[in-house]
Amino acid sequence: NAGVTQTPKFRVLKTGQSMTLLCAQDMNHEYMYWYRQDPGMGLRLIHYSVGEGTTAKGEVPDGYNVSRLKKQNFLLGLESAAPSQTSVYFCASRPGLAGSPSEQYFGPGTRLTVT
Amino acid sequence: QKEVEQDPGPLSVPEGAIVSLNCTYSNSAFQYFMWYRQYSRKGPELLMYTYSSGNKEDGRFTAQVDKSSKYISLFIRDSQPSDSATYLCAMNPPTGASSKLTFGKGITLSVRP
Repeated sequence: NAGVTQTPKFRVLKTGQSMTLLCAQDMNHEYMYWYRQDPGMGLRLIHYSVGEGTTAKGEVPDGYNVSRLKKQNFLLGLESAAPSQTSVYFCASRPGLAGSPSEQYFGPGTRLTVT
Repeated sequence: QKEVEQDPGPLSVPEGAIVSLNCTYSNSAFQYFMWYRQYSRKGPELLMYTYSSGNKEDGRFTAQVDKSSKYISLFIRDSQPSDSATYLCAMNPPTGASSKLTFGKGITLSVRP
């Protein structure tokens, strides 16, 4: 099993450009999450999904959109990138077992720089 | 007051030292408490979790939860250079379909040989 994979690993964008980050998991997990991690800010939840076809806003959703058309994939889109979106983005997934420890499995991250 | 507070660090200790990492929280609904370890330029990985109050030991690592004080700790005995990483505490309540975790900001530990 590859676990959680993220594409691309690195990207540099100019302000105003758009891009899509892809997260894929092969563990048949129900729940998937997108976080950003910035120095001194910790992990902040952007959007999440509790199943195929569902999405919901997290703590910092502005400027991002997501889609979960297939259970194994969770896409994060930036329609018009801004320098404030320079960050490391992590995807995570977990089985759909509400009420149990919320162990989330993380991908390796995507380092995004917006100039 | 933030829901989860974690000492910002960084923390540097000599090899073999006992390390104590701590978090405080304000939400009394939290029942599951986790510690994640994140090596440089990698994703976080779960190190340990505990349910409600008490201690849990795994090798050189001990996780401790004091719900009355809303305080959790991770102890590392006989610390090794390979323990150098960022440690994040995380917690969530037992209910809620999203199972969202609330993370501390993380503390970076460096173990000097």
